[in-house]
Order: sequence, then structure tokens, then C-alpha cells
Amino acid sequence: AQKITQTQPGMFVQEKEAVTLDCTYDTSDPSYGLFWYKQPSSGEMIFLIYQGSYDQQNATEGRYSLNFQKARKSANLVISASQLGDSAMYFCAMREPYGGSNYKLTFGKGTLLTVNP
Amino acid sequence: DAGVIQSPRHEVTEMGQEVTLRCKPISGHNSLFWYRQTMMRGLELLIYFNNNVPIDDSGMPEDRFSAKMPNASFSTLKIQPSEPRDSAVYFCASMTSLGRGSSYEQYFGPGTRLTVT
Repeated sequence: AQKITQTQPGMFVQEKEAVTLDCTYDTSDPSYGLFWYKQPSSGEMIFLIYQGSYDQQNATEGRYSLNFQKARKSANLVISASQLGDSAMYFCAMREPYGGSNYKLTFGKGTLLTVNP
Repeated sequence: DAGVIQSPRHEVTEMGQEVTLRCKPISGHNSLFWYRQTMMRGLELLIYFNNNVPIDDSGMPEDRFSAKMPNASFSTLKIQPSEPRDSAVYFCASMTSLGRGSSYEQYFGPGTRLTVT
């Protein structure tokens, strides 16, 4: 079974609008971490935002926010005021169990976001 | 500060040849990861090191693949002999697990695009 599921292979959004990229995860461990990475066409992987399973509030980093719904096991990325430079592949990833010496990340298949002018 | 450095950025080789990919992690980071990215399989963790010690190599495809980390500032991933199915982008990432309250995000290098003909 997939641990990280990104159901949207591709998404389109108009410049300056907000967009939500979906991510659901599967784990039986109460302690885990969720990450979002951006991969532009140039190929590098850029860390965007992190959410810990015990964090009480949703994570925010500038125009990025994470809509964390623990009971639904979802960690959707919200990008506000989209810019042309946001066009990229976006990956959701999970680290579990969190803490100790386990630092492995499992990545989803990704969502290709295209921002239209 | 310099990010994760990988070399070469592109490698084209013939089947059967030995390939060595190199990585210099961010100074001060004590964990290092090798990933492989393909269209079919997405982003897969091959092996990771903590404090220069291999912790988990369960993602290494087969005995043709080997990785070493002789010191905190250098790692290699070697494929011998290479095969066409090894064609992929290979990423190195590093992380620090030494900070309290850290989200333990991984920082990726630019990747090495390997083509085996």
C-alpha cells in the first residue's frame, strides 16, 4: 500500500489565485513528520514546509500553508497568490516513525502545477 | 553557505562501465541520503548514512550498487557494472539531526543525470 498518495497528477491555476495540492498518508505510528518539496523544471528539490504530527497548529511559511487534518490523514499544501515561478512539480513526503535515528522519507508521486498568466 | 554539491551533473556511459557519483554534504550536517528518481518509480531512497555509518541500505537495487562515506564531507555512489535500466537522476541530500526542535528537513543537491547506453 502506498504510504503517500497524491491524487492530482496535474493542476492548473491562474496567476494570483490560491491553489490546494492534495496529499493523504498512511501510517499507524502516532509520531511522524510531513514535508512538501518543490521541483522546478531545472530539477533541484526545494524544501517548502514541514508539519509534525503533534503540532497543534497548521504550518505556514510565507505563501505556503499546510492544511493538516490528522483524523483524515491529509496534509494538503495551500499556495496563496500564485506566481508564474510556482509552476513546478510538488512532492509530499512523510518521515515515520519520527524521532530516534529514523530519518527516511517516503515520497508521493507528485503533482505538476502550472500557473497560467 | 554552499549547498549540497554533486558531481558530475551529467554522465553518459556505456553498459558495463563503472560509474561513480560524488556528493559533498552541507558542512555540519551529519546525515546523508542517496535517492534515485525515474518517471516509472518516482523518488526512491537508496541508502542513508548517519555520522558516516550506513544505517539503511534496503533501497539499494542490487549488488552492483555500493555507497561509501569515508568522512563527514564526502560520499560516493558506485555502480559496477552499469546497465541501461540504471539511467535516472541521482540525488544526494543532507540533514542535521543535532538541533533541538529541528524538523529534520533534508537539503538536496542538484542531482546527477545518468544515462547508460
